Amino acid sequence: SSELTQDPAVSVALGQTVRITCQGDSLGTYYASWYQQKPGQAPVLVIHGLNKRPSGIPDRFSGSTSGNTASLTITGAQAEDEADYYCSSRDSSGIHLVIFGGGTKLTVL
Amino acid sequence: QVQLQQWGAGLLKPSETLSLTCAVYGGSFSGYSWSWVRQPPGKGLEWIGEINQSGSTNYNPSLKSGVTMSVDTSKNQFSLSLSSVTAADTAVYYCARGTVTTWGFFYFQYMDVWGQGTTVTVSS
Repeated sequence: SSELTQDPAVSVALGQTVRITCQGDSLGTYYASWYQQKPGQAPVLVIHGLNKRPSGIPDRFSGSTSGNTASLTITGAQAEDEADYYCSSRDSSGIHLVIFGGGTKLTVL
Repeated sequence: QVQLQQWGAGLLKPSETLSLTCAVYGGSFSGYSWSWVRQPPGKGLEWIGEINQSGSTNYNPSLKSGVTMSVDTSKNQFSLSLSSVTAADTAVYYCARGTVTTWGFFYFQYMDVWGQGTTVTVSS
């Protein structure tokens, strides 16, 4: 089955730009979706499809895909962006089951 | 605005059956997949499985057998049952609404609405 690989932790200075990546074979077929999760809260969808943001998600969040790597970029990171971020896709073989990356802990310095 | 409200027992003994239900308010039940996702303490998200309005299911093969999902379209609810739980099943369990669309040779999939989460602890 497919896996999605994320860096466990990333840090960014306040106001700077940070990219969080997600690698996996399935990303050549299923575009990644990205979720933000703050402590004690349910995950929140921040990016899906071709760089689409749900209502209420700031436009400093953007997404892109190149080959088997998906990226979530935060341009001008804010203190409130400190959270865990998960990518998700579906296994492109078999019956297309949902898969999650291991998550990236983003620290805003 | 669609909301998911979930409930179920939060404290179980080993070998008991976990039962959770999620109700969909303010939106259509059809045309989506309805998933359960769990998160063990301090760990990442793990997809358990999904069900659609017809009752067709897909389960995560990495989980032990004993997962059953069901749907009650008359109430806009779906449920999760996990039998013979162990301490390893201790986690926060979430329900979520999923969508899959196609774009040429590619697919988009995402879960845009989530329940509030239910903490389930398995302990003797």
